[in-house]
Amino acid sequence: DTEVTQTPKHLVMGMTNKKSLKCEQHMGHRAMYWYKQKAKKPPELMFVYSYEKLSINESVPSRFSPECPNSSLLNLHLHALQPEDSALYLCASSQDLAGELFFGEGSRLTVL
Amino acid sequence: GIQVEQSPPDLILQEGANSTLRCNFSDSVNNLQWFHQNPWGQLINLFYIPSGTKQNGRLSATTVATERYSLLYISSSQTTDSGVYFCAVERGGGGADGLTFGKGTHLIIQP
Repeated sequence: DTEVTQTPKHLVMGMTNKKSLKCEQHMGHRAMYWYKQKAKKPPELMFVYSYEKLSINESVPSRFSPECPNSSLLNLHLHALQPEDSALYLCASSQDLAGELFFGEGSRLTVL
Repeated sequence: GIQVEQSPPDLILQEGANSTLRCNFSDSVNNLQWFHQNPWGQLINLFYIPSGTKQNGRLSATTVATERYSLLYISSSQTTDSGVYFCAVERGGGGADGLTFGKGTHLIIQP
């Protein structure tokens, strides 16, 4: 069983909806990540948080808004998404930056 | 950014066969991991191996950092080994860029 928990596992939303993806880890890790994976492609880095501060933002559109309320939680707020944003969204954590990453099972998002 | 190339892109083997997957990268790294992605999308850690050799059961990995490549060995393949194997690296030099993934090797083990 993964120690990084993501909810929901599946999400279908319209282009005018606002929704959130949630990620939680209880390994005491201080770095957390969001990756996006399209079908038959490798995961691509979106955001990195280190000690609850945004460390890396890979030029992601503003319709994706990350939030790190505390060291165990990471959210990704979604608003006004496009159908091409449909993908598997993966959360990961590591002890520190450049440490071994552990991934959650992912949230599969479909935008209609 | 750092470039990661994996080979072969696709591999079909019979159960019981051995295989070697390769990962080449374009710059020095302070983090290199191998993952297996199962059909449900879960990325499973296989090895954290920025240098040296590690073994875990039928799997082993070697990274030669000075020559910028890593190899993943799978022995006595089983059908459950099927899936996509990713190599992912993070550039060294004191920065923190997050892991960059290669395009993966799609492995099919036939019974």
